[in-house]
Amino acid sequence: DIQLTQSPSSLYASVGDRVTMTCRASRGISTFLNWYQQKPGKAPSVVVYAASVLQDGVPSRFSGRGSGTDFTLTIDSLQREDFATYYCHQSYSTPRTFGQGTKVEFK
Amino acid sequence: QVTLKESGPVLVRPTETLTLTCTVSGFSLTTSRMGVSWIRQPPGKALEWLAHIFSNGETSSTTSLRSRLTISRDTSRSQVVLTLTNVDPVDTATYYCARTQFDYGESWFDPWGQGVLVTVSS
Repeated sequence: DIQLTQSPSSLYASVGDRVTMTCRASRGISTFLNWYQQKPGKAPSVVVYAASVLQDGVPSRFSGRGSGTDFTLTIDSLQREDFATYYCHQSYSTPRTFGQGTKVEFK
Repeated sequence: QVTLKESGPVLVRPTETLTLTCTVSGFSLTTSRMGVSWIRQPPGKALEWLAHIFSNGETSSTTSLRSRLTISRDTSRSQVVLTLTNVDPVDTATYYCARTQFDYGESWFDPWGQGVLVTVSS
């Protein structure tokens, strides 16, 4: 199984900050990497798929980069509604796997 | 508008069988390059992919639960069913179904259902 390791597990930021989180795969997965946002008590929703493609309706302050084993999700100018937990997910092989999540919290 | 909705028991006894239904609307279960997946999330923990069913009816499931887990569908009713046998308290989780989209080999889950919290307890 492909393991996905996210870092940091939590980060503290303020509105307007630029934040970056990382997802590292245990072996190369090309660009088969997606990012989801989950708010408390809600289902996840996709933010970025195929490593760098922004889902329709997601603000352009979100961006994803990477290929192979190292991936990042960046939020430029963090907004209040962006405080949430973010999960990466690989679709390179079965079983599909998720990272443990990065929680973005108010500083 | 594409929607998915999970339904099933909220409380199951240990060793019993859990059956969950995902009813979809806004797309067909046989549409190419689409499928439906089940994902679960224990309270306070990360997401875990369980299984998916492709538009052609083929299925795939996670290795660790394969002996206990079945995914099937009823296309006439636009429903996907997840069955988990011999449940244990560690199976307590919110269970989500989600549409799986495929494109050039990539796949992702969008949208997700609201989820159903299932508790396994005697």
